[in-house]
Formats: sequence, C-alpha cells, structure tokens
Amino acid sequence: EVPLVESGGGLVKPGGSLRLSCGASGFSFSNAWMTWVRQAPGKGLEWVGRIKSRSDGGTGDYAVPVRGRFTISRDDSKNTVYLQMNSLKIEDTAVYYCTTYRSCSSTSCSQLPRLHDYMDVWGTGTTVTVS
Amino acid sequence: DIQMTQSPSSVSASVGDRVTITCRASQGISSWLAWYQQKPGKAPELLIYAASSLRTGVSSRFSGSGSGTDFTLTISSLQPEDFATYFCQQVFSLPPTFGQGTRLEIK
Repeated sequence: EVPLVESGGGLVKPGGSLRLSCGASGFSFSNAWMTWVRQAPGKGLEWVGRIKSRSDGGTGDYAVPVRGRFTISRDDSKNTVYLQMNSLKIEDTAVYYCTTYRSCSSTSCSQLPRLHDYMDVWGTGTTVTVS
Repeated sequence: DIQMTQSPSSVSASVGDRVTITCRASQGISSWLAWYQQKPGKAPELLIYAASSLRTGVSSRFSGSGSGTDFTLTISSLQPEDFATYFCQQVFSLPPTFGQGTRLEIK
C-alpha cells in the first residue's frame, strides 16, 4: 500500500490554474500536518507549504514565492490534501510531492512542533509543466 | 530564511569507501537537521533526523553528527545502492530549507 498518492499534474499555460490532490492511507491522516515540496527539473528540493491538522488550528504556511497564489486545503473525511495553484508561472514547473512526518500522526508532537517538518513519508510526485 | 550549504556538490567514490558530506547552516539550528537520499526519478527518503538519529530501517552504514551550524553525514562503507543524491534540511525555523544536494557517483 502506498501511503501517499498525488494526482492532478499536467501542462498549463502561464497565468493558468491547477489543483493537485494527494490521497493518504495507512496512517492517522486527521492528525498529520501535510506538506508540499517541489523539485524543478535537475534542481534541488523546495518547500512549498504545509497545512496543520484541524486540532492544531488547520492553518497553512507558505513559501514566499507562492504566497498569495497557492492555497493548501484538506478534507479529512477523504484523507486528502489539496494544492490549489493559481497565476502559475514558468518557474513553477516542477515535480510536486506531498509529504508528512508520519510519527506525529500517531504520537502527539505538540510539545515539539518542529518535528512535523521532518518528512518520512513521500508520495511518488506529480509533474506540473507551465509553458 | 536559513541557508543550507552542502559540500562537496559532487563526489566520486568506490564501493567500500568511506564518504563524508558536510552541511553548514547560515545560523544556529541546534540539532534540527535531517538528511535525505534521493535516487533518479524517485522521491527522497529520510535517512537521519535530529542530526544523528537513524530512521528505523536505515542501514547503520549511515551516521550523522553535528549541532549548531556544522553537520556531517558519513557513509562508512559504500554499497552500490548508496550512489544517489543527498540533501540536508533544517527544520529549526520556517521555511524549512534544503541544501543544494551532493551527488555521490561511482568512481
């Protein structure tokens, strides 16, 4: 069983929109903080943003390059996290991964919230091409 | 943002060699550091967290050390499956940032 599966990637023109989905299984999704990370072709890893669990406020945090254009949301009834991407730019072209620190979904990390930013479960990635 | 700088950017080594990769943070991050391995076309995999804690199931060939601003990842005896790209990541403050990566190639 694959814990995280992304979908929704594709080819979009500059200025367009796309919504990525990431379905989760095999862990307590509702307790997990979910993160999106991207990797441009031949480049390194870039943190895009995260959404906290509802019990921790359910708020999102975003990297500066995507703030105001991207929105992360979650549907705990569907064990799914979304990345809504608007006003896409050529430089948004990348493989997008969803990821989480699964240990925090089964054991409270409220005393050490930084633990949520480790990433021990990754999806296979979905490719977004803006051209 | 905290900048993470890895060195070297690439290294060539042989099976059985000992390899060390370094990662320097632009400011102190205590031990809030992770190391990931990524193979071509695959998602990264967590190897080490909290600078020196080996993730369950990861070979003991891998070890991490350091605190503050300077960290190292050591692979004690390279195996064929270890040839990959390695990234460090700080989680001390938002946004979490990654090093640029170190490509480990077969000599």
